Amino acid sequence: AQSVTQLGSHVSVSEGALVLLRCNYSSSVPPYLFWYVQYPNQGLQLLLKYTSAATLVKGINGFEAEFKKSETSFHLTKPSAHMSDAAEYFCAVSARNNNDMRFGAGTRLTVKP
Amino acid sequence: EAQVTQNPRYLITVTGKKLTVTCSQNMNHEYMSWYRQDPGLGLRQIYYSMNVEVTDKGDVPEGYKVSRKEKRNFPLILESPSPNQTSLYFCASSSRQAGLYGYTFGSGTRLTVV
Repeated sequence: AQSVTQLGSHVSVSEGALVLLRCNYSSSVPPYLFWYVQYPNQGLQLLLKYTSAATLVKGINGFEAEFKKSETSFHLTKPSAHMSDAAEYFCAVSARNNNDMRFGAGTRLTVKP
Repeated sequence: EAQVTQNPRYLITVTGKKLTVTCSQNMNHEYMSWYRQDPGLGLRQIYYSMNVEVTDKGDVPEGYKVSRKEKRNFPLILESPSPNQTSLYFCASSSRQAGLYGYTFGSGTRLTVV
């Protein structure tokens, strides 16, 4: 079975600062990994995904994540935060050839002016 | 536009009064799923369906029912709602390879049971 742990339920950064949201996974087989974003009063939207091609994955809105097998991590980063990045972010893991997707508890990102 | 449509967006009901939350997708996806979102717990799967007439329990199925009579629709039924089912509910769909492509989510239904 697979699972993810998101470190930090709340992260606050200043506008223009680096955004780093942490995610560690557990999986008995090579995983697929995802980051989703949820803006207020909306559903989840796919930001990016790792499916075993390049380990550095670029997504929408300037976000990227790096798959590190040795650290079982898939942290999400953005070099410069924007006010519009304020949202809740979810990391998720899925086993290959399997529709079962497991979500982390979420990290709420606040961006201060 | 490819989308998953849930209705209603907001619902307040009383304990024990049966309700149905509808979910429809226009992408011809085989796989559909219901999640509930609670603070600090992330998304937990209630039920899922691999295809028409094929449904199975997720992690938190107690108190819920589903049906999949048509490929596009996957309603969530609460036969006798209780206050602990107050939550934010999401329907999601995917092609056969959800693990590879990820899910498309609806906008959510915020349910309050009093």
